[in-house]
This record gives sequence, structure tokens and C-alpha cells, in this order.
Amino acid sequence: SQQGEEDPQALSIQEGENATMNCSYKTSINNLQWYRQNSGRGLVHLILIRSNEREKHSGRLRVTLDTSKKSSSLLITASRAADTASYFCATDASGSRLTFGEGTQLTVNP
Amino acid sequence: DVKVTQSSRYLVKRTGEKVFLECVQDMDHENMFWYRQDPGLGLRLIYFSYDVKMKEKGDIPEGYSVSREKKERFSLILESASTNQTSMYLCASSSPRDRNSGNTIYFGEGSWLTVV
Repeated sequence: SQQGEEDPQALSIQEGENATMNCSYKTSINNLQWYRQNSGRGLVHLILIRSNEREKHSGRLRVTLDTSKKSSSLLITASRAADTASYFCATDASGSRLTFGEGTQLTVNP
Repeated sequence: DVKVTQSSRYLVKRTGEKVFLECVQDMDHENMFWYRQDPGLGLRLIYFSYDVKMKEKGDIPEGYSVSREKKERFSLILESASTNQTSMYLCASSSPRDRNSGNTIYFGEGSWLTVV
């Protein structure tokens, strides 16, 4: 079953703009993670936010978590062409496995 | 850096063949996972293992089996490959001992399997 659902499915922006992707989930979680996947490659972990945190930053990434709405957002500021990739949220509800959403395909045009 | 290595990047197999996908991790992780990824369906968990010789079914185990004889190695087996198993397969590992990482998963580069 898919716990996380990303929105939008696809996003196309110009270099320098900010990109915002959203994730909704259904059950209580321990933490929520965001991953990035370049075309045809494996996923790479970007950032983790715990259920008792509301916001977290890492470089140009900003993640928010609203447990009352069961939603999270990933903001990439000052986007670059190299940020073009698919972005997935993953929820950890059990402590042993993650459940991934279907991803948002981000295209950053130079 | 954690390294998860999948033995084959691209495979083409015939319907009915037995297929082995091998995965090795070098970080002494307890947990290992096999996912498949298909367009529009995201990542779906096939099987996972939290210890040597232990395995748990994921969301789509039908048509697959797994083997974990050593801690660093987790194999996915397609007993009789079918065309609907054409997909990208991703192996991953994690450690519940690393409390700071919160069960972060480390992925291999993926294996593209085509069944003809």
C-alpha cells in the first residue's frame, strides 16, 4: 500500500526559481524522509524530519511537517538544472520499513 | 560511504527462466530490502530481511522469493520469470542501530530486468 502521495506529479520551473513538492500520508509516523532519484539510478537520501519536528533545513532544502494534517513539503530554493530528478517522500511508521510515494518529477530548465 | 552493490545493471531473460538478482552491502546493516519500481506505481516493497536467514513479505511478494544466507548479501529470485516482471529492481539496506539516521535507507543503482 502506498502511504505517501506526492503532489504535483510533475513540476517544471526555470533555473533560480523555488520548487515546492508536497506529500500526504495516512497513518501516524515516526519520521518522514525525502529521497532523490536521478533518471535510471538508485534513490539517494536527502533529509529526514522526525514526528516531533516541524521544520528542518539542509543547504538549499527546507522540509516542513504538519502531523495534524498528515502532510509534508519539500522546498528547494534557487533551483539549478542539476536538481532535475524525481523526488520521493517516504514514511516510517513501524521502525523497520519505509513506505514510498509515487514521486514528483522535477524539471529545472536552464 | 555506504555502498550497496547490485550485481547486474541490465538483464534480459526469457519467460520461464529462473532469475537471480544479487545484492551486497558493505556497512554491516541488519535490514535489507528489495523493491521494484514501475512508472506510475512508485516503489513497491517485494521482500525485506532484518537478519540472516530471516525474511518478511512486503506488499507484492507473489512470484518472488529471497535468500539471506550471509548478513551482507540479499538475493531476489524469480522462480519462473514472466513478462509482467519486467521492471527496475532496487536493493537497499538500513540499520536500526543507527538512531541518528532514523532508519535511513541506502539504495543500490538498480537492476533493469526485461523478460521476453
